[in-house]
Amino acid sequence: GAGVSQSPSNKVTEKGKDVELRCDPISGHTALYWYRQSLGQGLEFLIYFQGNSAPDKSGLPSDRFSAERTGGSVSTLTIQRTQQEDSAVYLCASSPRAGGRTGELFFGEGSRLTVL
Amino acid sequence: AQSVTQPDIHITVSEGASLELRCNYSYGATPYLFWYVQSPGQGLQLLLKYFSGDTLVQGIKGFEAEFKRSQSSFNLRKPSVHWSDAAEYFCAVRSGGSNYKLTFGKGTLLTVNP
Repeated sequence: GAGVSQSPSNKVTEKGKDVELRCDPISGHTALYWYRQSLGQGLEFLIYFQGNSAPDKSGLPSDRFSAERTGGSVSTLTIQRTQQEDSAVYLCASSPRAGGRTGELFFGEGSRLTVL
Repeated sequence: AQSVTQPDIHITVSEGASLELRCNYSYGATPYLFWYVQSPGQGLQLLLKYFSGDTLVQGIKGFEAEFKRSQSSFNLRKPSVHWSDAAEYFCAVRSGGSNYKLTFGKGTLLTVNP
């Protein structure tokens, strides 16, 4: 497809389990972002990847959260030992190039995570 | 650190009425400013952006926004709202240079009454 693809669209898990969320950015986009959207909290930045540079992990809320991006394309966000407060919609976005003045991020439809 | 405030959590307007959604930012230099819209069950879509130049910017779907440096504001406007405009609207700011992270406000939910 032409847009940012995220899977799964919905995930229900039990507290303490690990989950993996996947993002497939728009082909050719070098920048990839993960955001978390909680009810009433807006979008919270988690992590940013740009090409082969070291990712900006400054938004990851704890060491239970990690992300990787393989081959400069697909990214996986992993949450270990999930807690109920991790319940949220996790949004992935990509953009054509860092430093470009468009500034536009192209968002996927998100992965809704529910931790019971 | 940059930040964005959207003072209105929820706004209700009648179809055909005018609309203004407020956004205030905190950033020392000239920011890059954005408005995004999120329809139910959808990802975010860019409505418009301001980088420099003319402080009144036009966007898609008939929206416009005005950058006012003296007020640190970037309010979104539409002269006549359509029922399909019902959605959540997010203002965002990005600093210049090598920081490509967008900081978002908490959003304003727009309800349109027939």
